[in-house]
Amino acid sequence: GIQVEQSPPDLILQEGANSTLRCNFSDSVNNLQWFHQNPWGQLINLFYIPSGTKQNGRLSATTVATERYSLLYISSSQTTDSGVYFCAVKYNTNAGKSTFGDGTTLTVKP
Amino acid sequence: DAGVIQSPRHEVTEMGQEVTLRCKPISGHDYLFWYRQTMMRGLELLIYFNNNVPIDDSGMPEDRFSAKMPNASFSTLKIQPSEPRDSAVYFCASSLVSMGGEYGYTFGSGTRLTVV
Repeated sequence: GIQVEQSPPDLILQEGANSTLRCNFSDSVNNLQWFHQNPWGQLINLFYIPSGTKQNGRLSATTVATERYSLLYISSSQTTDSGVYFCAVKYNTNAGKSTFGDGTTLTVKP
Repeated sequence: DAGVIQSPRHEVTEMGQEVTLRCKPISGHDYLFWYRQTMMRGLELLIYFNNNVPIDDSGMPEDRFSAKMPNASFSTLKIQPSEPRDSAVYFCASSLVSMGGEYGYTFGSGTRLTVV
């Protein structure tokens, strides 16, 4: 099946710093999403981004489907950005079945 | 809207008992998803529905698991009989999918299931 690799696995930042999280996938996809799971376990959908670039406040994401990767940018990080960031992709042949990466654990220190 | 509502928040049950998890999606959303999260396996999609119809249940681990969506505002995930390895956090999510993509993808707060 499709492989999803996220990097780095862990990231520690000082508040105010910028960061880039990466998601590589092994096959063509028709859907890619970024999720954030906060330290209390709540899952939040950040972006639906099968291709192109989107921005939402301090967060932005870019997916280059032809090169099979997506990047999540966090600017001016805040302690509330801490948590695990997951990338999830869907195969071309099955629009509903998602494969998740193992996540990047981000810790933002004050 | 109150968001996706899951119940119960926590469930502790004995091995062999039947467990039923419940989910109320956001009104108007046409897709509903059930996920499971464990330390060992991470996040897994178990099953999803479109307009109350199960579309893909290939993620359901075995026959002990079943899911239903009798109407647009309610879904259940049932485990019978439960086993300790079923202990996990179970999330429900709903979304609206249109020609332009997927919108409003929202998770519930999850049900933490412990089978002893």
